[in-house]
Amino acid sequence: DAGVTQSPTHLIKTRGQQVTLRCSPKSGHDTVSWYQQALGQGPQFIFQYYEEEERQRGNFPDRFSGHQFPNYSSELNVNALLLGDSALYLCASSRRGVLNTGELFFGEGSRLTVL
Amino acid sequence: AQSVAQPEDQVNVAEGNPLTVKCTYSVSGNPYLFWYVQYPNRGLQFLLKYITGDNLVKGSYGFEAEFNKSQTSFHLKKPSALVSDSALYFCAVRVYPNRDDKIIFGKGTRLHILP
Repeated sequence: DAGVTQSPTHLIKTRGQQVTLRCSPKSGHDTVSWYQQALGQGPQFIFQYYEEEERQRGNFPDRFSGHQFPNYSSELNVNALLLGDSALYLCASSRRGVLNTGELFFGEGSRLTVL
Repeated sequence: AQSVAQPEDQVNVAEGNPLTVKCTYSVSGNPYLFWYVQYPNRGLQFLLKYITGDNLVKGSYGFEAEFNKSQTSFHLKKPSALVSDSALYFCAVRVYPNRDDKIIFGKGTRLHILP
């Protein structure tokens, strides 16, 4: 049973560029949440996707956008990168409805460095 | 708005001694509470959760946590610490069922077990 997978694991970009991060949820999960974890900080909620729509959003600018595909996988896009966007980006999956046991299952993350 | 506080940035414990990592929460509703652990350059791993029922919940690797509604706390405990328990620990809260269905994390507590 594959867990949550994320790609790429590491990437380096320069200011002003755009980046796309990808996530495949755990088998049987239909909801994907994205978090940003800066060095030495806790994960900060970016947004959550369910049924191919953004359902919840944290305090992040419109430069951060996402998408969910019919197979439940998801992408996080960040435009006009800033130095402060350097962080570990975590994808987490879960299951809605009566089968929801509450916890999130995390991938290993994508480490983004902006120079 | 929901929030989680972890008052200690770091906790140092001698191997074999009991450990406690503190967490308090603030929600407008019934909380679901979680503990996660993170090893260097890795994603978060689920340890345990409180949904309802017995206030003492047991989780992975011998960890347990006690839910205290009057003190709005959910402290993580282990009777005898191991060096391998050294890691970053995150407390998290979720209010569900709720339209604002997302998990919010504390800033983390670094646990250092001294050999």
